[in-house]
Amino acid sequence: DAGVIQSPRHEVTEMGQEVTLRCKPISGHDYLFWYRQTMMRGLELLIYFNNNVPIDDSGMPEDRFSAKMPNASFSTLKIQPSEPRDSAVYFCASSFPGSDEQYFGPGTRLTVT
Amino acid sequence: GNSVTQMEGPVTLSEEAFLTINCTYTATGYPSLFWYVQYPGEGLQLLLKATKADDKGSNKGFEATYRKETTSFHLEKGSVQVSDSAVYFCALSPMNRDDKIIFGKGTRLHILP
Repeated sequence: DAGVIQSPRHEVTEMGQEVTLRCKPISGHDYLFWYRQTMMRGLELLIYFNNNVPIDDSGMPEDRFSAKMPNASFSTLKIQPSEPRDSAVYFCASSFPGSDEQYFGPGTRLTVT
Repeated sequence: GNSVTQMEGPVTLSEEAFLTINCTYTATGYPSLFWYVQYPGEGLQLLLKATKADDKGSNKGFEATYRKETTSFHLEKGSVQVSDSAVYFCALSPMNRDDKIIFGKGTRLHILP
């Protein structure tokens, strides 16, 4: 299995621009998680889905952030408009039915200038 | 509520030294406990887990024992290697799977040759 796939691996954008991060979970997994990691705040859970339905989005920092999961094999995290404080590494993770072990993707390093 | 507290880093050791990274938790019932490891430039990956009291998780020479009486899950290794340099995260998964997993802040480990 290819593991969790994230794209792009690196994104550099200017303040005010829209950013879309993409994730393909491992086939057969029913939970999908989006995390943000910074030196200051550590690892933060932003939102997670079960069978494509958002379960808890309480970690989404503000209305500029939105996430979708249109089908079992694809999810997006969008930031619009982006701000320099959004600079971080964003991870996607998934887990298979009946398990609480999470499999992480390699992350997307976002830099907003 | 649920929480995880792990020792702050960085922790610096010489090769072949004994390692302990402390982790304590607060939770209702019997959560599952995990250690994840993050190597530079990569996502987190599961190192070991334990699902009930007195269980010992082990992998790659690392061990941790689920201690209900002290609410602890300390990570140990008898002889560390330079390749063990990474960030280590203690995590808790509540009994209710729709309650989100809780990660500690991470402990950075440096092993000197």
